Amino acid sequence: SQKIEQNSEALNIQEGKTATLTCNYTNYSPAYLQWYRQDPGRGPVFLLLIRENEKEKRKERLKVTFDTTLKQSLFHITASQPADSATYLCALPPLSGSARQLTFGSGTQLTVLP
Amino acid sequence: EAQVTQNPRYLITVTGKKLTVTCSQNMNHEYMSWYRQDPGLGLRQIYYSMNVEVTDKGDVPEGYKVSRKEKRNFPLILESPSPNQTSLYFCASSPGNSPLHFGNGTRLTVT
Repeated sequence: SQKIEQNSEALNIQEGKTATLTCNYTNYSPAYLQWYRQDPGRGPVFLLLIRENEKEKRKERLKVTFDTTLKQSLFHITASQPADSATYLCALPPLSGSARQLTFGSGTQLTVLP
Repeated sequence: EAQVTQNPRYLITVTGKKLTVTCSQNMNHEYMSWYRQDPGLGLRQIYYSMNVEVTDKGDVPEGYKVSRKEKRNFPLILESPSPNQTSLYFCASSPGNSPLHFGNGTRLTVT
């Protein structure tokens, strides 16, 4: 079965710096990858989707890359702010190709220090 | 406001006492799903539904039941809860092949 790994459970960075979170996967080639943000006590909120034929995608201060050779996605937050502190989850579709059953990584908890 | 609503937000119960967690979405989404979230294990899918009267097992369906009699509602039923079902539960929905909209969760404790 596919396996998803997100780098380190926790990441602390200084305000204004760029945060880089990693999502690695094994055993298959997904057609797309999604990133979500989750605040304590709340449900995940969708941020970005990147498809296998897209190398990079941007949304305001967010940037996602997708390297199908390395089987890795990088999620960048530039000019980070304390309000960016949250847990970030990557998610991929299942081996069967169904878009219905997303598999989530366990998340990286980001803390932006003022 | 477009949203997925779960109730209750918090629930403490005892082993064996049947319970239902409700989930309702007002976005006319075809797809709905239940996840549980545990420390270190991430979000794991319990059941999902592609449309009314169409449901299927996710990765961890044991001990759970669901039904989809109406498009907007997708209740999660625990017929005989056990302590290992203590967890944070999320309902989610989406229209077709689109990202998920999550509810705000139900924290269940089974003693």
